[in-house]
Amino acid sequence: DGGITQSPKYLFRKEGQNVTLSCEQNLNHDAMYWYRQDPGQGLRLIYYSQIVNDFQKGDIAEGYSVSREKKESFPLTVTSAQKNPTAFYLCASTQAGVGQPQHFGDGTRLSIL
Amino acid sequence: DAKTTQPTSMDCAEGRAANLPCNHSTISGNEYVYWYRQIHSQGPQYIIHGLKNNETNEMASLIITEDRKSSTLILPHATLRDTAVYYCIVRPFLQETSGSRLTFGEGTQLTVNP
Repeated sequence: DGGITQSPKYLFRKEGQNVTLSCEQNLNHDAMYWYRQDPGQGLRLIYYSQIVNDFQKGDIAEGYSVSREKKESFPLTVTSAQKNPTAFYLCASTQAGVGQPQHFGDGTRLSIL
Repeated sequence: DAKTTQPTSMDCAEGRAANLPCNHSTISGNEYVYWYRQIHSQGPQYIIHGLKNNETNEMASLIITEDRKSSTLILPHATLRDTAVYYCIVRPFLQETSGSRLTFGEGTQLTVNP
């Protein structure tokens, strides 16, 4: 079945450590997105990529980095510069075209040790 | 994006139709209505979207009023697994190929009871 796979489901970070969240899609979608969701709040856009080897900052990119070396993969690194990383991280993708909806993975919950 | 207003919570009996309303009185002519739902600790699930005509898929039906200022999501035969927070989102369709972000409001907590 086609879909978006995020791993791991749960992740713990130590002080000063960088961690990488994986997002893989087999939907042949062009654009991919990373969002952060905090308890009781909506989604905030971290980074997005419309094409391989190109990506743009979203609303809260500080302390995060991404890469898009392959169409199907869009990993997110949470660096030590992100002082409040505890959140639910969601990856989404969409096909190019008018009105196409974004589809989401099941998320990674990141906590601080 | 146009602002949407949804009831905070709704209840529905299992097997009955669930009708979830959404008000979007400031919607523009180039904006679609999208519906998503999110079950606790899972990613949002796309349900359906429409511009001005009523839409139906295997999950639900979307009824948009003629003036497009409100819409209703219909789950024809609700099950316990339909218990979730349902989000109505209005977005310009031309944003899909740019750095569009989905803005989720408060949503409606739908509880399907046995």
